[in-house]
Amino acid sequence: EPEVTQTPSHQVTQMGQEVILRCVPISNHLYFYWYRQILGQKVEFLVSFYNNEISEKSEIFDDQFSVERPDGSNFTLKIRSTKLEDSAMYFCASSESGAEGYTFGSGTRLTVV
Amino acid sequence: GENVEQHPSTLSVQEGDSAVIKCTYSDSASNYFPWYKQELGKGPQLIIDIRSNVGEKKDQRIAVTLNKTAKHFSLHITETQPEDSAVYFCAASRGANNLFFGTGTRLTVIP
Repeated sequence: EPEVTQTPSHQVTQMGQEVILRCVPISNHLYFYWYRQILGQKVEFLVSFYNNEISEKSEIFDDQFSVERPDGSNFTLKIRSTKLEDSAMYFCASSESGAEGYTFGSGTRLTVV
Repeated sequence: GENVEQHPSTLSVQEGDSAVIKCTYSDSASNYFPWYKQELGKGPQLIIDIRSNVGEKKDQRIAVTLNKTAKHFSLHITETQPEDSAVYFCAASRGANNLFFGTGTRLTVIP
C-alpha cells in the first residue's frame, strides 16, 4: 500500500535554530499538507499546497514557517528561529482530491530545547 | 472557524462489547466527516468517512452516523477486539481543503 514517508522520525534542535522536516507524498497525489499535534492537544492544520503554491494556511503558519516542493518527490516544512512552543509532532499528508482520502505520514517529533 | 468537540476522551470496553464515540461541529457548511485511528508511533489512518448527504454508513464492524440538524456525528464499533485499541479522531471539513480535528478518544479494549 502506498505510504507517505517522513524524515527524520525525531529531531532535537536548539532554540533559535532552523529545522527542515521532510516528506515524500504518494506519487500520484496532488494535494499536500502539514499538520501539527502538540502533546495532548488536537491535530491542527498548518498549510495546504497544490499546483506548486500554498492554497490555504492557518493562523499558526506565520512568517516563521515556509514550505517547498524542491523536486518532483519531496515536500518540506522549514521552521526558522525555533521556539520551545514549536515542540510537537508534525504530520505530512497527501491526497488525490482535497480533504477527502488523506494519507498521513508517521510524523516527525520535533523537540526544541 | 470550525470547532470540533469529541467525547469521551478515554473509553474502556470489554472485548466483544460496542464502543461509541461522539463528536459535534459548529460550522453548518461542513460537509465531510472522516474518522481516523492513530496507533502508537504512527500517523492517523482513515477508517471511515461520511458526507453530509448521507445519514449513516457502515463498513463491517464500524459505522458512522450523522445528524446534520444537531451538528453531531458518531463512530460505532461493534464486537470490539484488542487490536481496536488506539486513539480515534473525528474531523470535519468543507470538503475543499483542510480538516478540523477533535481532541481524540483513547479506546482501550480489555481482553
